[in-house]
Amino acid sequence: SQQGEEDPQALSIQEGENATMNCSYKTSINNLQWYRQNSGRGLVHLILIRSNEREKHSGRLRVTLDTSKKSSSLLITASRAADTASYFCATDASKNQGGKLIFGQGTELSVKP
Amino acid sequence: DTEVTQTPKHLVMGMTNKKSLKCEQHMGHRAMYWYKQKAKKPPELMFVYSYEKLSINESVPSRFSPECPNSSLLNLHLHALQPEDSALYLCASSRAGRGNTIYFGEGSWLTVV
Repeated sequence: SQQGEEDPQALSIQEGENATMNCSYKTSINNLQWYRQNSGRGLVHLILIRSNEREKHSGRLRVTLDTSKKSSSLLITASRAADTASYFCATDASKNQGGKLIFGQGTELSVKP
Repeated sequence: DTEVTQTPKHLVMGMTNKKSLKCEQHMGHRAMYWYKQKAKKPPELMFVYSYEKLSINESVPSRFSPECPNSSLLNLHLHALQPEDSALYLCASSRAGRGNTIYFGEGSWLTVV
């Protein structure tokens, strides 16, 4: 079963707007990673947030983690057409063997120029 | 740009063929992974190698045979595949152990006819 579930499944916004994607998971985790995938391409790592961290920033990206609610969010500020992609959260569950990431279903983001 | 290189980018094979997917990284990582991704779905873990030894096999059918000849290379040997095995196969690498960022290649698109 999928550890991570994301919402919304699809999000369409205008350039310049902010985009927020949410991820929920079921079990205790060591860390949570966010990835971007352009159509037909590989996954690009965006941010890793550890279970003892609450917020991390990288450029226009802001990730939060609430372990009490077992949820994370990815905020992309001032979106650009080039941000159009699928975004996945992936969890490294505490009970799993090392290196086993379980991905959420993903959010398809469309940024219109 | 990813530092995990996968070849070939596209492969079409018949159900009786034997072929291989190759993956190479020069980041000094000692953990390497194979994931499978169907269209519009999240990646699913197949195998994990840690220090060139197979550490996780997610009950993958034996028609997929992984091999890790050295710390930089990871192969996936394919034999007697089925059309439903058509997918994007993603290689990834990371430092060994828990809680590390996992870096993905661009993937190999496999079509079984």
